[in-house]
Parts: sequence; structure tokens; C-alpha cells
Amino acid sequence: DAKTTQPPSMDCAEGRAANLPCNHSTISGNEYVYWYRQIHSQGPQYIIHGLKNNETNEMASLIITEDRKSSTLILPHATLRDTAVYYCIVREGGNEKLTFGTGTRLTIIP
Amino acid sequence: DAGVIQSPRHEVTEMGQEVTLRCKPISGHNSLFWYRQTMMRGLELLIYFNNNVPIDDSGMPEDRFSAKMPNASFSTLKIQPSEPRDSAVYFCASTLAGGVDTQYFGPGTRLTVL
Repeated sequence: DAKTTQPPSMDCAEGRAANLPCNHSTISGNEYVYWYRQIHSQGPQYIIHGLKNNETNEMASLIITEDRKSSTLILPHATLRDTAVYYCIVREGGNEKLTFGTGTRLTIIP
Repeated sequence: DAGVIQSPRHEVTEMGQEVTLRCKPISGHNSLFWYRQTMMRGLELLIYFNNNVPIDDSGMPEDRFSAKMPNASFSTLKIQPSEPRDSAVYFCASTLAGGVDTQYFGPGTRLTVL
């Protein structure tokens, strides 16, 4: 699976959109981009995934660049409960394994 | 719907003792994963099963660790003998195999080996 690079930490004001970047320049054509988050002391929680089109669900939006070498997770109206470590993971379709990196620690500021 | 269930939630034991962690996956899921999380190494995959069969155990640190899945609704991770460096949070996750389905994680077991 391709390697991902994320900033170690970010802050965002409550109520604003949180934009979390991820670089995956070595991604191959059959690899998906997944986002998980881990709120303190809890198990990781799935947020969203995509292959090449932008995706949106009730939690977030995922914007993948046309060359697929980077992506951005957008939390449209961040709340204090969104404070967590966010993991960007590249995973080949049909491959069961998830490889977690160090993620981005997002802190929502009141 | 019950999520992934892990027990115990906390375990404190002394070095040399046997430790058994338990996991009940989500009903209908046929893949099960065991992860370990420490400050130093982050979240690591230890082993995973498809249809109760171990597929990849390359993350199991050494022979002191063993995992079983006797049926579709139960798995154990055993450490014998335990050592202080095994102290970590152990997560179990389950999913439907074969596609792009997401993994659902349990709440974890916090293990402390004194």
C-alpha cells in the first residue's frame, strides 16, 4: 500500500470548516483513500473513503485531486467533539489490511 | 445493533502471568482483526482472520502471542507469559471481507503488565 504524509497537528476554530490534507504521491490506480479518526481512548472510527471522485457523507467530504496524489478531508462545521487524531490511509481494493500512520491531531478551539 | 464487543476493558496483571483478551465481532462480519496501540509504535495490525482462518499473522510480535477464532462470533488473543513491554491498548475490529467495506473497531482492552 502507498505511504501517506499528514501534518502532525492542526487547530481549527469551533464552527469553522476543518480541512485536513494528506499526500499520497505513490498511490496506484486500484488504491482507495480512507479516513478514520480516533477520539481519545476510543477505537478508530471510519469517516469516509473514495477512489477518484469526491465523496460526501453525513460526517465529512473527501476531495481527491485529479492526479490522485493528494486529498483533503473537510469537516464542514467543526465542533469540540471533532477533536481527535485523523488518519489518512491508502488501501488496495480487496486488501483487508489497514496500515495506520501517525495521523493529524486536530484540536477544535472554542 | 451491538458493535464489536471486547472484554475485559481493563486488565492489570503481573509479569509472567497468562493474559486472554476476548472479542465478539459484529454479527454477519467474516473478517476479524487484532491491533495493538502504544505511544511508541502507534496502531499496529497483529493478525487477521477470514472466515475463522488466520490469513496474516506477520504482525504478531513473538511466540508468546497467539490468537484463535473457534467460530464466527468469538476470538481470543492470548499472551503467555506476559511482559511489561506488552502493556498497550488492544483493539479488535471486524468487517465484511472481499470488498472496500470499512472496519468497525471495538472499544479496546487496556492491558497493564507490572
